[in-house]
Amino acid sequence: RKEVEQDPGPFNVPEGATVAFNCTYSNSASQSFFWYRQDCRKEPKLLMSVYSSGNEDGRFTAQLNRASQYISLLIRDSKLSDSATYLCVGSGYGNKLVFGAGTILRVKS
Amino acid sequence: DTGVSQNPRHKITKRGQNVTFRCDPISEHNRLYWYRQTLGQGPEFLTYFQNEAQLEKSRLLSDRFSAERPKGSFSTLEIQRTEQGDSAMYLCASSLVGAEFEKLFFGSGTQLSVL
Repeated sequence: RKEVEQDPGPFNVPEGATVAFNCTYSNSASQSFFWYRQDCRKEPKLLMSVYSSGNEDGRFTAQLNRASQYISLLIRDSKLSDSATYLCVGSGYGNKLVFGAGTILRVKS
Repeated sequence: DTGVSQNPRHKITKRGQNVTFRCDPISEHNRLYWYRQTLGQGPEFLTYFQNEAQLEKSRLLSDRFSAERPKGSFSTLEIQRTEQGDSAMYLCASSLVGAEFEKLFFGSGTQLSVL
């Protein structure tokens, strides 16, 4: 089983839609979680950290569910510019940061 | 520019040749990671350093791969006797351990093509 798993998508949504991604992790001792965004042929860039209490940054909301071992990312009022691959990251065994395979989002007009 | 710097940006080599990549992390960061990414996949962990100590190396990494971080500053990743399956984007990232959350900052990567 992979340490971090995501639905690869693609998620095809119209502009203005709300879309949510989930990501599951296998290491119950994981402490740190993040969502990264990666545009085509670019390096991943930090979108947001995921706090135990959940956190919001503008149109983006991240949640952590330790009981079920998953994190989620909610994007409201999707923009064309949100089209990208969203990578889930968790601290894996040995405390290194491990990436999921990514979820592709395509926002269409 | 105070971000993570990687050189070269692109490398084309023939099968069997050796290649070396360099990564200069953000100066105050004490942890440095190497990842490999192929099309349609997320970054795959290769190895990481805390200061000059190599703390972990992926079991997926063959003996042809070696990484160093002398003096805890820049790092090099060497691939010996390259194979076509080594073709990928090699990403370096650095972070500051001890802060509230360990956040990774990536370089632009080195795209390796093995012919």
